[in-house]
Amino acid sequence: GENVEQHPSTLSVQEGDSAVIKCTYSDSASNYFPWYKQELGKRPQLIIDIRSNVGEKKDQRIAVTLNKTAKHFSLHITETQPEDSAVYFCAVPEQAAGNKLTFGGGTRVLVKP
Amino acid sequence: DAGVIQSPRHEVTEMGQEVTLRCKPISGHNSLFWYRQTMMRGLELLIYFNNNVPIDDSGMPEDRFSAKMPNASFSTLKIQPSEPRDSAVYFCASSLGRSSYNSPLHFGNGTRLTVT
Repeated sequence: GENVEQHPSTLSVQEGDSAVIKCTYSDSASNYFPWYKQELGKRPQLIIDIRSNVGEKKDQRIAVTLNKTAKHFSLHITETQPEDSAVYFCAVPEQAAGNKLTFGGGTRVLVKP
Repeated sequence: DAGVIQSPRHEVTEMGQEVTLRCKPISGHNSLFWYRQTMMRGLELLIYFNNNVPIDDSGMPEDRFSAKMPNASFSTLKIQPSEPRDSAVYFCASSLGRSSYNSPLHFGNGTRLTVT
């Protein structure tokens, strides 16, 4: 099965600084890479995703970059705000065209005001 | 759209009792997933269905766990008998298609299960 590793497990940043979370995966056939945000006591929600035919995607203050050769992708949050404090999960489909997602272990991000 | 609906939100039960968790996926979604979340093991996929048919139950911990999807709008996850180590948040999620490439997961609000 797919092996997904996420780093770091915790990240503390000052408000206004940038945060970067990295995810590595094992299946070179994977072609879809979503990121989910889970606020305390709530459900995971998709915040951004990228498909293998592009190397970067941006949505306001968040962006995802993909390096298919190295089999890793990263979430970038710029100008962090207190509401960015949450646990972030990367995920990778088990198969190239499947919908069984394997999640990374999560990164707890704390934005200090 | 009301999203994925799970019930109950919280369940506290004693060891040995039967627990049934319920899920209503988003209307029109034909894939349904049950995940378990704990601090130690993170988000684990237990089982998923496509068009009401179980596709992969390799994540189900043991025979005490069972899941059904009798129709497109309802699924249950049952634990019998329950044990303290089953304490976790159980999420149900649904998606529109067979490929996550075109259809992201939508999670319900989860059921927090505590087994004493």
